[in-house]
Amino acid sequence: AQSVAQPEDQVNVAEGNPLTVKCTYSVSGNPYLFWYVQYPNRGLQFLLKYITGDNLVKGSYGFEAEFNKSQTSFHLKKPSALVSDSALYFCAVSSPGSNYQLIWGAGTKLIIKP
Amino acid sequence: ETGVTQSPTHLIKTRGQQVTLRCSSQSGHNTVSWYQQALGQGPQFIFQYYREEENGRGNFPPRFSGLQFPNYSSELNVNALELDDSALYLCASSPHGDRGPGNTIYFGEGSWLTVV
Repeated sequence: AQSVAQPEDQVNVAEGNPLTVKCTYSVSGNPYLFWYVQYPNRGLQFLLKYITGDNLVKGSYGFEAEFNKSQTSFHLKKPSALVSDSALYFCAVSSPGSNYQLIWGAGTKLIIKP
Repeated sequence: ETGVTQSPTHLIKTRGQQVTLRCSSQSGHNTVSWYQQALGQGPQFIFQYYREEENGRGNFPPRFSGLQFPNYSSELNVNALELDDSALYLCASSPHGDRGPGNTIYFGEGSWLTVV
């Protein structure tokens, strides 16, 4: 079965420190990986995606993510967190095994403290 | 702003009633998909429309139905509402008809449905 895991329900980081939001996946075939962010009472906003090529992907708002095929991971990172980064983050993956339908993680709440 | 607009933003319905939610896709996008997001959970895929036909469906009962119009806008209809249908309903559009790899979908702000 295709699945996406975000092992942390919540991540707390001090402003200015680096942040990491973890995502691992299990799919059949080559994965196509996405990160979305959701602010309170809002829709989801696209941050970045990995399709092929360089394993390090850069996206919106200074975020980046690294695709690691051997560890089946796609962790979201940012070198210096801002209070405004506080939101809910979702990892999603599509693959031939899911007929390219997006499979979503449960989300990780990121809290950046001043 | 993604250019995907949804209406209404909030509504309250009684159990057993029917509801219609509307979505206008981003300009140039011919594919629309609908998601249900319950409180504290990730989005759950309901179905997708391309060129006015459903071309993918998640694990939702037939009382969840939809339409896509020639201008690519879309409706989600839910009949015989149940309390568990209370959720945020998200519409997303994308520029390609087939669910090929790497297609980014862009979400609207959602419609909050409360069933009482």
